[in-house]
Amino acid sequence: EAGVAQSPRYKIIEKRQSVAFWCNPISGHATLYWYQQILGQGPKLLIQFQNNGVVDDSQLPKDRFSAERLKGVDSTLKIQPAKLEDSAVYLCASSLLPSGLLYEQYFGPGTRLTVT
Amino acid sequence: AQSVTQLDSQVPVFEEAPVELRCNYSSSVSVYLFWYVQYPNQGLQLLLKYLSGSTLVKGINGFEAEFNKSQTSFHLRKPSVHISDTAEYFCAVCRDTGFQKLVFGTGTRLLVSP
Repeated sequence: EAGVAQSPRYKIIEKRQSVAFWCNPISGHATLYWYQQILGQGPKLLIQFQNNGVVDDSQLPKDRFSAERLKGVDSTLKIQPAKLEDSAVYLCASSLLPSGLLYEQYFGPGTRLTVT
Repeated sequence: AQSVTQLDSQVPVFEEAPVELRCNYSSSVSVYLFWYVQYPNQGLQLLLKYLSGSTLVKGINGFEAEFNKSQTSFHLRKPSVHISDTAEYFCAVCRDTGFQKLVFGTGTRLLVSP
């Protein structure tokens, strides 16, 4: 079974530039998550999709971050314009269901973003 | 809301020695608990989880954890570590009903030396 795919793996941009990350979840997984992991911290949930609808985006800085999951499969996370504090690893995860005993998230390798 | 505290940012240990990584949580409702491992330049992988039932949970790679409700703890243990266990370990919690969102601790780096 193929895992969660993410690209690019690394990205370096200057502040005020824009950047986009792509995620392809495990086939058949209805729920998709984007996390931000700042160095020295645990992952923080940015947004959760159930199929192509947003379930939770309470911690997404909506003035600069946006995300979409067209057709309920792969997803794109965008930052525009980027700030220095956006430097982090962006993790995508997917799960078969969002709750209950099948609640297990499978994580991709992440995209390491450096904003200079 | 739920929160997780991992007091040890780094735990050095010699190969074949036992190890315990500490995790304490805070929640006003019943929770599920998880331990994830993150190897360098990789995503997180689930080690084990507590949903209900026996408070001693066994996971992959010889790890186990014990849920202690009175002490709100979920410490991770391994009786004998290997060099390959060197990684970052994250404890996470979510409520057991309603909308469930994983809340992670800050992580503990396990450094195993020969």
